[in-house]
Amino acid sequence: DIQMTQSPSTLSASVGDRVTITCRASQSISSWLAWYQQKPGKAPKLLIYTASTLESGVPSRFSGSGSGTEFTLTISSLQPDDFATYYCQHYNTYSRTFGQGTKVEIK
Amino acid sequence: QMQLQESGPGLVKPSETLSLTCTVSGGSISSSSYYWGWIRQPPGKGLEWIGNIYYSGSTYYNPSLKSRVTISVDTSKNQFSLKLSSVTVADTAVYYCARSVVVTGGEDYWGQGTLVTVSS
Repeated sequence: DIQMTQSPSTLSASVGDRVTITCRASQSISSWLAWYQQKPGKAPKLLIYTASTLESGVPSRFSGSGSGTEFTLTISSLQPDDFATYYCQHYNTYSRTFGQGTKVEIK
Repeated sequence: QMQLQESGPGLVKPSETLSLTCTVSGGSISSSSYYWGWIRQPPGKGLEWIGNIYYSGSTYYNPSLKSRVTISVDTSKNQFSLKLSSVTVADTAVYYCARSVVVTGGEDYWGQGTLVTVSS
């Protein structure tokens, strides 16, 4: 089974900061990776798919990169609405695996 | 506007079977472009994929749950369902239904989630 490991688990940042979250796969997953944002009491929201494609309606300050085993989610200038938990997810026809999540907190 | 809505009992006794239904509106569950699936989240913890189903009835399950999970689809009602047997307190979670795109992936529409508590 493919394991997805995110780092850090918690990140403290200020409004306007550039924020980067890393996700590593235990083996190559090509670009079959998505990123989600989840706020308390809400369903996750898809931000990025195929590692770097921005979902419709998602602000351009969000970007994704990487392929193979190492991926990053970058928020270019953190906004108040961005304080949330972020999950990476590997997917293919047969399965999905989530990372453990990264909580972005107010510094 | 695509919407998904989970329904089912909020309390299930240990050893019994958890049953949930997801009703899809604003689009057809019979589209060949999407998978339909279930994801859960124990209180205060991360997301766990349970399984997916295609409109044709093809199913894909998390290996760790496969022996206890059945996902089915009812195209006439535009619904799909989850059954999880022999539940324990560890199955207490918010259960989400979601749609994912076949070609590009990613769960792009989600239900609001429903909390299922396993307790006697």
